[in-house]
Amino acid sequence: GEQVEQLPSILRVQEGSSASINCTYENSASNYFPWYKQEPGENPKLIIDIRSNMERKQTQGLIVLLDKKAKRFSLHITDTQPGDSAMYFCAASADSGYNKLTFGKGTVLLVSP
Amino acid sequence: VTLLEQNPRWRLVPRGQAVNLRCILKNSQYPWMSWYQQDLQKQLQWLFTLRSPGDKEVKSLPGADYLATRVTDTELRLQVANMSQGRTLYCTCSGTGALVNQDTQYFGPGTRLLVL
Repeated sequence: GEQVEQLPSILRVQEGSSASINCTYENSASNYFPWYKQEPGENPKLIIDIRSNMERKQTQGLIVLLDKKAKRFSLHITDTQPGDSAMYFCAASADSGYNKLTFGKGTVLLVSP
Repeated sequence: VTLLEQNPRWRLVPRGQAVNLRCILKNSQYPWMSWYQQDLQKQLQWLFTLRSPGDKEVKSLPGADYLATRVTDTELRLQVANMSQGRTLYCTCSGTGALVNQDTQYFGPGTRLLVL
């Protein structure tokens, strides 16, 4: 099966700075890598995803990078705001089990004013 | 637009008692339905994916036993038994790959279970 490691577990940044979260995976067949944001008491919400035919994707202050050789992908939040404070999860899945997402353990992002 | 409804939203479960959860799909373009659990440490774990009415699966994990059933094209059920630790159960849905991506999953609001 797949295993996804996510670091750091806690990330504290100042408002306006950038934040980066890194994930690694083991299964070379994994080809879909979503990121979810979860606020306290809420369900996880998809914020951005990337597929293995891309190396970079950007949307609304979020950048995702994928390095297939290193089996590593990362989320970069530019110009962080207090509203970005939440738990973030990376995940991976493969075509053969495209409905089975394997999640990292999560990163608590704290953005201070 | 809400894709999924889950009920109940929370439940106090006496130790040793089973509880039945429901998930209703609101958009038929996302027929692949799955269950995930989130434990007290916030770890998310896939449990089941059921596509067709009549599909059933069972699984035992640390802290709970599960029986999942795809009842209809729009209803997914989960029975949780022998639960020793609280958790939240999320239903998800994804598309067929025709009009919407098959691998993108959307989470329902969740059912939070607490053990009495």
